[in-house]
Amino acid sequence: GIQVEQSPPDLILQEGANSTLRCNFSDSVNNLQWFHQNPWGQLINLFYIPSGTKQNGRLSATTVATERYSLLYISSSQTTDSGVYFCAGDLSGAGSYQLTFGKGTKLSVIP
Amino acid sequence: DTGVSQNPRHKITKRGQNVTFRCDPISEHNRLYWYRQTLGQGPEFLTYFQNEAQLEKSRLLSDRFSAERPKGSFSTLEIQRTEQGDSAMYLCASSPPGRNYEQYFGPGTRLTVT
Repeated sequence: GIQVEQSPPDLILQEGANSTLRCNFSDSVNNLQWFHQNPWGQLINLFYIPSGTKQNGRLSATTVATERYSLLYISSSQTTDSGVYFCAGDLSGAGSYQLTFGKGTKLSVIP
Repeated sequence: DTGVSQNPRHKITKRGQNVTFRCDPISEHNRLYWYRQTLGQGPEFLTYFQNEAQLEKSRLLSDRFSAERPKGSFSTLEIQRTEQGDSAMYLCASSPPGRNYEQYFGPGTRLTVT
């Protein structure tokens, strides 16, 4: 079955708006992470967040491992936030850190 | 530190030809990963190396695919007898010792098989 599921698949925001992206994952997923893929295809890791909450500027993330979900918050969005946001986790359980990605949320921030 | 680099950035080839891609990881990173990404999907794991040893291969990696990392530094991914279904972005990532969860991705090689 689906092991890393993201919602919504697409999101259009006016510049300055806030948003919440969600990632549901199966109980076999460890070491959850969030990535941003910019329109040129470059993947950047945003957060390594197996549990708890982290913040970095306008972005923050929360993972509730016991309930198998993670949330990425974007506040005061900017056009440079556009791109695809992926959550990914390690299903191997063997310390290989081979990541299984969700299908992503495509975010478009319009001025 | 110049980041992970991949060459070429784009490759167009005819079905049946062989292609080879190169990945140069960040210096001192001991792990190197290959992923494949098709349009509208997230990256899919192909294989990874710890130093020069290839430790795991996905079932996606058919026998037409081979990867090497001969001296534990750069890696190559070769696809023999390419098929149209091989068209994708091929991504390389590396991670530092002790922080293997921290994967740094290269810009990718976009392969188009005609």
